[in-house]
Amino acid sequence: GESVGLHLPTLSVQEGDNSIINCAYSNSASDYFIWYKQVSGKGPQFIIDIRSNMDKRQGQRVTVLLNKTVKHLSLQIAATQPGDSAVYFCAENMSGGSNYKLTFGKGTLLTVNP
Amino acid sequence: NAGVTQTPKFQVLKTGQSMTLQCAQDMNHNSMYWYRQDPGMGLRLIYYSASEGTTDKGEVPNGYNVSRLNKREFSLRLESAAPSQTSVYFCASSRSSGVSYEQYFGPGTRLTVT
Repeated sequence: GESVGLHLPTLSVQEGDNSIINCAYSNSASDYFIWYKQVSGKGPQFIIDIRSNMDKRQGQRVTVLLNKTVKHLSLQIAATQPGDSAVYFCAENMSGGSNYKLTFGKGTLLTVNP
Repeated sequence: NAGVTQTPKFQVLKTGQSMTLQCAQDMNHNSMYWYRQDPGMGLRLIYYSASEGTTDKGEVPNGYNVSRLNKREFSLRLESAAPSQTSVYFCASSRSSGVSYEQYFGPGTRLTVT
């Protein structure tokens, strides 16, 4: 979930397990959501996106679920690998239309134990 | 195809000094963005440029100026650096196609103001 204060929420899983990272977004009018992965010392990297007219979208080993009723987004990673260790951010487009600004959550640190 | 490039990678400034962070993208993207990232925080938007010739303030614009030099380049200037501006700065770009708002990020500039 989202962090409070300066400490990131953390999730620690065993290699091969499935991971679920949660995100609560703030604006019920947001129409587009993205998950990014950031490894230490690098810029964020796109994982998967979803529009508000969808509840679920699948990629390679990843699934994003959107629950608009409770303004909740989750990222599921199947068969988690050590290379999945990173900080994961959700982002929402709060304005829709031609405004392409994204608002980012504070992130969740995923640690995969071998 | 280098994607989004940023210079410099690291910089140390004294309080009151000025500097310009450079960003360039070779993906023919219309929109470009500057973010700052502080420990335990997500990315916060400083300024963005929806298209060549336009710039707009983001969430935390105070103390910064930007220039969209051409379609490829978007610079961020600190006129009088302050310790509160110690951060990692990321530049990003997006197609702004209306289909996807995916932003592509550069590697970041780590700035320390003493």
